[in-house]
Amino acid sequence: LAKTTQPISMDSYEGQEVNITCSHNNIATNDYITWYQQFPSQGPRFIIQGYKTKVTNEVASLFIPADRKSSTLSLPRVSLSDTAVYYCLVGLGGGGNKLTFGTGTQLKVEL
Amino acid sequence: EAGVVQSPRYKIIEKKQPVAFWCNPISGHNTLYWYRQNLGQGPELLIRYENEEAVDDSQLPKDRFSAERLKGVDSTLKIQPAELGDSAVYLCASSRRAGDGDEQFFGPGTRLTVL
Repeated sequence: LAKTTQPISMDSYEGQEVNITCSHNNIATNDYITWYQQFPSQGPRFIIQGYKTKVTNEVASLFIPADRKSSTLSLPRVSLSDTAVYYCLVGLGGGGNKLTFGTGTQLKVEL
Repeated sequence: EAGVVQSPRYKIIEKKQPVAFWCNPISGHNTLYWYRQNLGQGPELLIRYENEEAVDDSQLPKDRFSAERLKGVDSTLKIQPAELGDSAVYLCASSRRAGDGDEQFFGPGTRLTVL
């Protein structure tokens, strides 16, 4: 299993940039790195996915170093509605590691 | 397009009783997943289907859990008999295909309480 480790919680204020790092030392060659957001009483929702280097979409950026043993989700200018749990998921690389969600990071955004 | 549909949303049963959860994935999605999420933890994969074939059920407690995906569309997850420790949220997700890190779409989950 591709075990992942994330900080349990983070606090921020509206308008700030938030960076959440996930450690995945035994990532397999074919594994992708995916981040999900989850609000209470809802299923996780896809945020961004990458394999290497940097990926950016309309809501976040994902930074992956060359060794791929970690990744950082970057949320620009967070708002109160970004308060949620963020999960790092590694796997599903066509025969690579089994799907493994991280421990999750509870992000709390305040005014 | 409609999202992943799960039912029921909530279920309360007594231990040793059977329970079943139903999932209807997004149309055209070949891959279906069942997860269990305990309070304060990330989702844990129970089983993954590619069409009607269970390709990864290594984490499914087969002594009491069973699942099926008829005709590669809807799926049912069953627990018989339920134990107190089975109380959790059971999530269903689907994706177009696996193997390329495809995005998973999750349903709202079924919250099971075993008394």
